[in-house]
Amino acid sequence: DSGVTQTPKHLITATGQRVTLRCSPRSGDLSVYWYQQSLDQGLQFLIQYYNGEERAKGNILERFSAQQFPDLHSELNLSSLELGDSALYFCASSPFRRDGQETQYFGPGTRLLVL
Amino acid sequence: DQQVKQNSPSLSVQEGRISILNCDYTNSMFDYFLWYKKYPAEGPTFLISISSIKDKNEDGRFTVFLNKSAKHLSLHIVPSQPGDSAVYFCAASFFYSGNTPLVFGKGTRLSVIA
Repeated sequence: DSGVTQTPKHLITATGQRVTLRCSPRSGDLSVYWYQQSLDQGLQFLIQYYNGEERAKGNILERFSAQQFPDLHSELNLSSLELGDSALYFCASSPFRRDGQETQYFGPGTRLLVL
Repeated sequence: DQQVKQNSPSLSVQEGRISILNCDYTNSMFDYFLWYKKYPAEGPTFLISISSIKDKNEDGRFTVFLNKSAKHLSLHIVPSQPGDSAVYFCAASFFYSGNTPLVFGKGTRLSVIA
């Protein structure tokens, strides 16, 4: 158990809909990262938050957005869903290190299926 | 444009023997490398990491070697056990402006045969 929790574990929805994925980081970790894993793909970085502020963006679509709340939990919002958005979505958290060499700890993921 | 490559999609090893998983990278700015193990329906689990200032790091049965000049790292598992059967991901990062997202390879599926 990494200490990172994600809900829900599974989500089935229809095209055009909007969903919200939730992540609670490990106690004390200020950074939260979101990754997407599609079929036959490695994990693709989507977005990073640090202590409530957006820090870095990766391959995140404009239809997707995220935020980190004062209690440090984070939500990933996916809207106007398409079939191709079906994937595993992982959240990770890491402690702060001045040298940037932070180990990220992953949650169990949310499996999204868009029908 | 894959910055981190794991060229072997799968590897089979007999129980008790050594497993060697390889990873190549193209970005010379990477200064921190990690290996994760992933079982089906679970999130990646951190195994071991290495800083670019080192060329070897050991933790029990797991050893990671880094060859910066070749931009290559490898994970050695000795002895291999059936419970090691999983997908192994290599990841890399570099520190800029306080951001350290990981860049992952596509993974190597290890099967340890009893």
